[in-house]
Amino acid sequence: DTEVTQTPKHLVMGMTNKKSLKCEQHMGHRAMYWYKQKAKKPPELMFVYSYEKLSINESVPSRFSPECPNSSLLNLHLHALQPEDSALYLCASSQEEGSQKAFFGQGTRLTVV
Amino acid sequence: GEDVEQSLFLSVREGDSSVINCTYTDSSSTYLYWYKQEPGAGLQLLTYIFSNMDMKQDQRLTVLLNKKDKHLSLRIADTQTGDSAIYFCAEKIGGGADGLTFGKGTHLIIQP
Repeated sequence: DTEVTQTPKHLVMGMTNKKSLKCEQHMGHRAMYWYKQKAKKPPELMFVYSYEKLSINESVPSRFSPECPNSSLLNLHLHALQPEDSALYLCASSQEEGSQKAFFGQGTRLTVV
Repeated sequence: GEDVEQSLFLSVREGDSSVINCTYTDSSSTYLYWYKQEPGAGLQLLTYIFSNMDMKQDQRLTVLLNKKDKHLSLRIADTQTGDSAIYFCAEKIGGGADGLTFGKGTHLIIQP
């Protein structure tokens, strides 16, 4: 099983809303990631969790708040977003050692109105 | 971060071989990866190569790495319509879980 599951697949939210994106993997990976991908651009790293601790925050605005409740789950809490935050949000997981092949979910297509 | 460069488009005829090229600038890259992204979908890991290897073959896919020139290529033999997608090369630097730096992606277009 090399599956990373993200929900929801699509999300439309207003600028005053609070919503959460969810990600789940059962590969026993201890590193999990959030990436943001704008149209026709490559994914850009946002956050890295290693052994359920936040290890990298790529200067992401505080309106994005990650959470790792356990080794299988990763959330991204959204609050007071801007229209320019509309993008595909991708979750990935990998082993902590070795090749660290990262497996990606299908993403959540977020539209902020 | 360091730049990873790719040409934006590649057009090939069905049945021919496709060669997608990538250059990177950080000589401390440990692993290099190729991902495929179809429209509206996530990224699918195709293959990867460790930085001390020159070549890796996996069925229709061949990865070549020239570490001296910091050049990576992906060859797809017998290209099919289902290979139409955007192909990203990505590098990982260092030993910990640091995330990946992606190239801009190459859009592979298959002509019938």
